[in-house]
Amino acid sequence: GENVEQHPSTLSVQEGDSAVIKCTYSDSASNYFPWYKQELGKRPQLIIDIRSNVGEKKDQRIAVTLNKTAKHFSLHITETQPEDSAVYFCAVNTGGFKTIFGAGTRLFVKA
Amino acid sequence: NAGVTQTPKFQVLKTGQSMTLQCAQDMNHEYMSWYRQDPGMGLRLIHYSVGAGITDQGEVPNGYNVSRSTTEDFPLRLLSAAPSQTSVYFCASSYSDGNQPQHFGDGTRLSIL
Repeated sequence: GENVEQHPSTLSVQEGDSAVIKCTYSDSASNYFPWYKQELGKRPQLIIDIRSNVGEKKDQRIAVTLNKTAKHFSLHITETQPEDSAVYFCAVNTGGFKTIFGAGTRLFVKA
Repeated sequence: NAGVTQTPKFQVLKTGQSMTLQCAQDMNHEYMSWYRQDPGMGLRLIHYSVGAGITDQGEVPNGYNVSRSTTEDFPLRLLSAAPSQTSVYFCASSYSDGNQPQHFGDGTRLSIL
């Protein structure tokens, strides 16, 4: 089955710096790659997603890049702010309605 | 439009007890799923359903049953609770084409003594 690895598990940055989180997956048939943000004690919420026919997508300070050949995708957050502090999960849809999540990255943004 | 509603929010069980976690959505989503979230392990898929009457196993199905008699409801049953099932359980739903984001409920925090 699909295996999703996410790195790093913890990331600490200064306010205003950039943060990058990377995920790799194993199933070359995977075609949908969402990222979720989860604040403490709350539900995961989608922040950005990318589909397999696109290499990069941006939404204000957030961007996602996808390399299907290498089977990895990354989340980039620029100009980080304290409210960006949360746990971020990558996920992979294998095309059969199964969505498999990475283990998560805890991001700390220091003011 | 309430989205995805989970009940209860908190529950404490004794080993061997059974219970049902409820999940309902009002967005007419075909796809629904259950995840458990444990520290350091992300969200692991327990069971999912692609429509009424259709369910399938995810990554960690053992000890859990599901059914989908209506589009709106997708209950998760613990047959005989074990301490290893202590976790936070999230229900999610999405449109049916497999390439759509999932909408999560607020979660059920379950402790098994």
